[in-house]
Amino acid sequence: DAMVIQNPRYQVTQFGKPVTLSCSQTLNHNVMYWYQQKSSQAPKLLFHYYDKDFNNEADTPDNFQSRRPNTSFCFLDIRSPGLGDAAMYLCATRPKWTHNEQFFGPGTRLTVL
Amino acid sequence: GDSVTQMEGPVTLSEEAFLTINCTYTATGYPSLFWYVQYPGEGLQLLLKATKADDKGSNKGFEATYRKETTSFHLEKGSVQVSDSAVYFCALSASSNFGNEKLTFGTGTRLTIIP
Repeated sequence: DAMVIQNPRYQVTQFGKPVTLSCSQTLNHNVMYWYQQKSSQAPKLLFHYYDKDFNNEADTPDNFQSRRPNTSFCFLDIRSPGLGDAAMYLCATRPKWTHNEQFFGPGTRLTVL
Repeated sequence: GDSVTQMEGPVTLSEEAFLTINCTYTATGYPSLFWYVQYPGEGLQLLLKATKADDKGSNKGFEATYRKETTSFHLEKGSVQVSDSAVYFCALSASSNFGNEKLTFGTGTRLTIIP
């Protein structure tokens, strides 16, 4: 089945130790999104790619970076995780030229010790 | 800017009760409207959607009608089940730059159904 896959599902890192979360999709969608979701809150958009064009939200900390080497893969890099970065990280995709829904992966739960 | 106002939770109902979760929105242009559901420890799943005024989205017994005159998209289900326990997010997609839409979410409503 076509889908959005996130690895790992659970990630534990230490304070200040860089970490990378990955997302892959078999949907061949042009647009990919990264969200941060803290407990009992709505997802917060960090950035998105429209094809290769990177779009950063104004309030996304510099500590968060992203890479999209090809259509299928997208990575979220947290350069120096702080305790406040512990959250669920959600990847989503959408085909372009549609006013349509986003397809979400299962998320990666990040714990910072 | 665009915004979604969603009924505060948590909501607790008995099995087979009628469910309404209110959602109103503010947006420029003609947004698409969505309800997403999130089960514990999982990502968001699309529950239903409507892309133009008077459209009714439906899925798994849930319904919502896009009401432009009241800028609302209330979620309803006639008889809830324990398996419906989850967090429900109302969202809209609108953009001044067609093809580059973003989702604006409501705060989410936690629903618990007791047997």
